[in-house]
Amino acid sequence: EAQVTQNPRYLITVTGKKLTVTCSQNMNHEYMSWYRQDPGLGLRQIYYSMNVEVTDKGDVPEGYKVSRKEKRNFPLILESPSPNQTSLYFCASSYRLAPYNEQFFGPGTRLTVL
Amino acid sequence: SQQGEEDPQALSIQEGENATMNCSYKTSINNLQWYRQNSGRGLVHLILIRSNEREKHSGRLRVTLDTSKKSSSLLITASRAADTASYFCATNSGNTPLVFGKGTRLSVIA
Repeated sequence: EAQVTQNPRYLITVTGKKLTVTCSQNMNHEYMSWYRQDPGLGLRQIYYSMNVEVTDKGDVPEGYKVSRKEKRNFPLILESPSPNQTSLYFCASSYRLAPYNEQFFGPGTRLTVL
Repeated sequence: SQQGEEDPQALSIQEGENATMNCSYKTSINNLQWYRQNSGRGLVHLILIRSNEREKHSGRLRVTLDTSKKSSSLLITASRAADTASYFCATNSGNTPLVFGKGTRLSVIA
């Protein structure tokens, strides 16, 4: 089944403890992206990747890192999480960053930073 | 850089009625897409309309695009309780990432 998977789905952590949220897609998509969703603010893009070893900042990249060593994986790294990073995170992918490609979303990761 | 803005923010209707949501955007686009999100879950793509198209249908969904007014509407006909969700428009301009609006929360009451 074509899908985007994220792990973990739920995570409660403490300030400063490094964490990684994994994202994997099995559709051979070139483009992958991370979003965070907060009440009243909609979906905001954190980072995106056009292809392996190519990453770019989105609208809210501060406090996050990403890597794209393989086509299928795009992990999101929080080196020193803070409470303002408490949010619902989504990974998404599409065939390419071309005008006419729909994005496929993962199920989301609900992160709480205490 | 939020481009699309949905209106209304929330909409409550009875089952069987039609639901109309609007999206306005600021700059020229290649295409506009609509997504649905059930509570706390990932977004699901519904329909894409290209900038040279004016109307598109998919099942009970009808999307219109007016590039002169920089606006789009999503019509869901004969709504069902299962249509209860948030609906987002997303715009694509050139070779740039999709930009999502803040969404319309639709409640369909049985």
